[in-house]
Amino acid sequence: EDKVVQSPLSLVVHEGDTVTLNCSYEVTNFRSLLWYKQEKKAPTFLFMLTSSGIEKKSGRLSSILDKKELFSILNITATQTGDSAVYLCAGYSGGGADGLTFGKGTHLIIQP
Amino acid sequence: EPEVTQTPSHQVTQMGQEVILRCVPISNHLYFYWYRQILGQKVEFLVSFYNNEISEKSEIFDDQFSVERPDGSNFTLKIRSTKLEDSAMYFCASSEALSRATEAFFGQGTRLTVV
Repeated sequence: EDKVVQSPLSLVVHEGDTVTLNCSYEVTNFRSLLWYKQEKKAPTFLFMLTSSGIEKKSGRLSSILDKKELFSILNITATQTGDSAVYLCAGYSGGGADGLTFGKGTHLIIQP
Repeated sequence: EPEVTQTPSHQVTQMGQEVILRCVPISNHLYFYWYRQILGQKVEFLVSFYNNEISEKSEIFDDQFSVERPDGSNFTLKIRSTKLEDSAMYFCASSEALSRATEAFFGQGTRLTVV
């Protein structure tokens, strides 16, 4: 059975801190690793990582995939209160969105 | 910006009742999905729908569940004879094409509470 494990489950930091969120995966026919930000309700897409070792960046967020260790990290620098959310990691094995296996998420709280 | 719309945002229903969760996908999207997230648990795939038929479904999606596209815009999830364990957030999503399924747009979700 495919499995995606995120750590930590919950994290509280102060504004301005840098955080690293972890995601390990065991996904049959793995194609890519996705990160989503879930605020209040709907997950919104952040990154899709397909190649190992190539960092993707979007503003203060960055992510990288290690296909040898079956691992990805999501970094957020200079955190702001608006970064508070649940961050979801998902392994994608192809096909439609039914090929997504989600982790339980990391609940990130940024305190002012 | 186009968005997936779900109604209602929150529904409370008695055990044994039938519920219909509604979704309006983005207009030019062809692939539609339902996911479920039980409180404190991970997001779970339920079903995908294309060309007016189910293309994939998970083990969760048993005979209690059905999906329908009754007209050109709505996409519904029907849950018959609800159980307490059906209480969850239900997300609808849509994507332009299968190859872009990883960038599916999610709706805001319907929180279903079965009492």
